Amino acid sequence: AQSVTQLDSQVPVFEEAPVELRCNYSSSVSVYLFWYVQYPNQGLQLLLKYLSGSTLVKGINGFEAEFNKSQTSFHLRKPSVHISDTAEYFCAVDAGGTSYGKLTFGQGTILTVHP
Amino acid sequence: DGGITQSPKYLFRKEGQNVTLSCEQNLNHDAMYWYRQDPGQGLRLIYYSQIVNDFQKGDIAEGYSVSREKKESFPLTVTSAQKNPTAFYLCATTPGRLQETQYFGPGTRLLVL
Repeated sequence: AQSVTQLDSQVPVFEEAPVELRCNYSSSVSVYLFWYVQYPNQGLQLLLKYLSGSTLVKGINGFEAEFNKSQTSFHLRKPSVHISDTAEYFCAVDAGGTSYGKLTFGQGTILTVHP
Repeated sequence: DGGITQSPKYLFRKEGQNVTLSCEQNLNHDAMYWYRQDPGQGLRLIYYSQIVNDFQKGDIAEGYSVSREKKESFPLTVTSAQKNPTAFYLCATTPGRLQETQYFGPGTRLLVL
């Protein structure tokens, strides 16, 4: 079985500063990794995903993430945040195979961008 | 206008009552999922269905039931056996191919009176 740990429950940051949201996973098989964003009282929207290939993945809204197999991490980064990036962010893992589509989510990180 | 619709946006349940949350999609996706979201706990899988007339329990299926009679629809019933139903419920779909992105509906917030 796989599990996902988001290391920070809340991350406050000032506008235009860089940010990193940390995600570690554990799995006995190769995994597929996702970052989703959720604005208040809304569904989740995909930011980016890693399936294979280049370990640096670029997503929407200027976000990127790096897959590190040896450290079992998939941290999300943005070089300069905006007020509009304030939201909750979820890391998720899909073990594929017969479990395809079954995502295991982390607990979420609330990013608050201050002016 | 394609997408996933969930209704109602807010739902109130009385003690001992069963309530049904609707999830409809016109994306022609094969697989559909129900998640429960509680603060600080992320999303937890309740039930999922990979094809019509078939569904599987997720991690927290107790107190819930589903049906999948049509490809477009995957309603979730919260039964009176679910003692702590207050949560935000999210429906998602995937095309059904391996490692595909999940697309989420806008959610239904269930509150207990």
